[in-house]
Amino acid sequence: GAVVSQHPSRVICKSGTSVKIECRSLDFQATTMFWYRQFPKQSLMLMATSNEGSKATYEQGVEKDKFLINHASLTLSTLTVTSAHPEDSSFYICSARDQRQGGTEAFFGQGTRLTVV
Amino acid sequence: QKEVEQDPGPLSVPEGAIVSLNCTYSNSAFQYFMWYRQYSRKGPELLMYTYSSGNKEDGRFTAQVDKSSKYISLFIRDSQPSDSATYLCAMSAYTGGGNKLTFGTGTQLKVEL
Repeated sequence: GAVVSQHPSRVICKSGTSVKIECRSLDFQATTMFWYRQFPKQSLMLMATSNEGSKATYEQGVEKDKFLINHASLTLSTLTVTSAHPEDSSFYICSARDQRQGGTEAFFGQGTRLTVV
Repeated sequence: QKEVEQDPGPLSVPEGAIVSLNCTYSNSAFQYFMWYRQYSRKGPELLMYTYSSGNKEDGRFTAQVDKSSKYISLFIRDSQPSDSATYLCAMSAYTGGGNKLTFGTGTQLKVEL
């Protein structure tokens, strides 16, 4: 299957700082990528849809000024958590659908565990 | 009512057992169905993808879709301790890179020696 790489896998930051998470499609181009957040023992919660060359589409209740998304190329989307607070500590995961396969199957990155202290 | 319902478990079975994992959904527009396996602190890994009603087999895994009942299942034969993980069903109404998936809550499975 297609490969989606996410970096870093784990990050600890101080409250008030910003953290950037990268998501790359390694062997295919993705005009659209998705960012999820997952709390322990809960399912994936879609935060936003990242669109290459245009603004991201955020789900209801997700602060777009806090979770900045940039999709500057067909293989890279970034999520920046700005002015992070302890309640932002979570597992963040990106995904992309491989259009070569009709965009049916979605592939996920390894996830980033963010801890804000 | 959630669009996709999935029993969160946990489900504990002995090694070698047949495991049945299920999801129901309410949106009749869903046409594409996926099963993911997620190990702790890792991203979900795609196991199976199905489109039409019926069965699809891949090794020890069989995915079953019943669109008339809005019910999908994943069967795991000869379960192994390495199958211990959370299994998520996911579905979407459309194909195409820009169409998001709707996930179940995930079922936590533990296969014991």
